[in-house]
Amino acid sequence: DVKVTQSSRYLVKRTGEKVFLECVQDMDHENMFWYRQDPGLGLRLIYFSYDVKMKEKGDIPEGYSVSREKKERFSLILESASTNQTSMYLCASSPQGRAFFGQGTRLTVV
Amino acid sequence: AQKVTQAQTEISVVEKEDVTLDCVYETRDTTYYLFWYKQPPSGELVFLIRRNSFDEQNEISGRYSWNFQKSTSSFNFTITASQVVDSAVYFCALSSPGGYQKVTFGTGTKLQVIP
Repeated sequence: DVKVTQSSRYLVKRTGEKVFLECVQDMDHENMFWYRQDPGLGLRLIYFSYDVKMKEKGDIPEGYSVSREKKERFSLILESASTNQTSMYLCASSPQGRAFFGQGTRLTVV
Repeated sequence: AQKVTQAQTEISVVEKEDVTLDCVYETRDTTYYLFWYKQPPSGELVFLIRRNSFDEQNEISGRYSWNFQKSTSSFNFTITASQVVDSAVYFCALSSPGGYQKVTFGTGTKLQVIP
């Protein structure tokens, strides 16, 4: 079975901090994605990557950046965390459109 | 641009009732995939089904069935004889096979099955 692992299940950070959310997949998938999930808004795509060092903006990239130095790892970076970035963050990897999801990181910015 | 609409925000049914979750999509692509995912209270999204745009056959898997109608751009999901374990948020999603295979999700339908 494909495994997508996110480094933290719960995270509390202060406003202005730099925050790293890590995601690792073990199936050699080329495509990886970061979504955020908010009540009533569903899953919204922040960034995705289709190869090492390659990235594309999703629908809501503002305030975020990403890093993909190795194929299996895709990191989401909040350069200066703000309270409106309090959310559930979901990482996914995908071979052919079907997405395999991690367990999610619930981030609270105080 | 792709769009997925799940008009039902929340549905409550009594156990053993049948329930249908609606999904309407928009895309300019002639070839695409449609998905349903389940998100139980634990939070991890679970893949349920993938359907190719050129395959309009309905699918049944146990108590679950899916009705894909290209003419109305709909991909509805029916749970027969619902159970408490079916309580979850269900997401419909759409992707195109080419390019970067971005998956676009609907806003989800929260299903509560009451014992």
